[in-house]
Amino acid sequence: EDKVVQSPLSLVVHEGDTVTLNCSYEVTNFRSLLWYKQEKKAPTFLFMLTSSGIEKKSGRLSSILDKKELFSILNITATQTGDSAVYLCAVGGGTASKLTFGTGTRLQVTL
Amino acid sequence: GAVVSQHPSRVICKSGTSVKIECRSLDFQATTMFWYRQFPKQSLMLMATSNEGSKATYEQGVEKDKFLINHASLTLSTLTVTSAHPEDSSFYICSARQNKETQYFGPGTRLLVL
Repeated sequence: EDKVVQSPLSLVVHEGDTVTLNCSYEVTNFRSLLWYKQEKKAPTFLFMLTSSGIEKKSGRLSSILDKKELFSILNITATQTGDSAVYLCAVGGGTASKLTFGTGTRLQVTL
Repeated sequence: GAVVSQHPSRVICKSGTSVKIECRSLDFQATTMFWYRQFPKQSLMLMATSNEGSKATYEQGVEKDKFLINHASLTLSTLTVTSAHPEDSSFYICSARQNKETQYFGPGTRLLVL
């Protein structure tokens, strides 16, 4: 059974701090790893990673995948209160198009 | 990114009634759409994979006669919760696959069954 584990489960930081969110996985025939941000409604897409060692960057957010060690990290620098959300990691594997989601990391950024 | 809409955003119904939720991909065609369910403070649980022009594939433990899925066109999939009960109250989210891997999510439908 495919498994995605995220850590920490929750995190409280001060505005301006840098955070690193972790995602490890066990999946048959890995195809891709995706990061989503979920605020009050449905998840919004952040990154899709398929290759090891290539950093994807969007503003203050960046992510990298290690296919040998089966994990990914999501970095957020200079955090702002608007970054407060649940960050979901999902992995696609096998022949179907399905994604397996982790339980998420709940990030709260305080003033 | 691609835009996916869901309707309604919120519905309250009486126990025993059926509720239909629509999921539309607005600016791309989606041969595959997915239906998820999310309980408070929990992650997304895949219910079924909806394929245009064919029967949906349901995950283990999801009753296909209770959660009817129709994917009649490349931009529309519907989920009907039949004979809804209070335990069906949840947040239902659809996603549409734009390319091989990336899924874009609709805004979700919050269902409350009284």
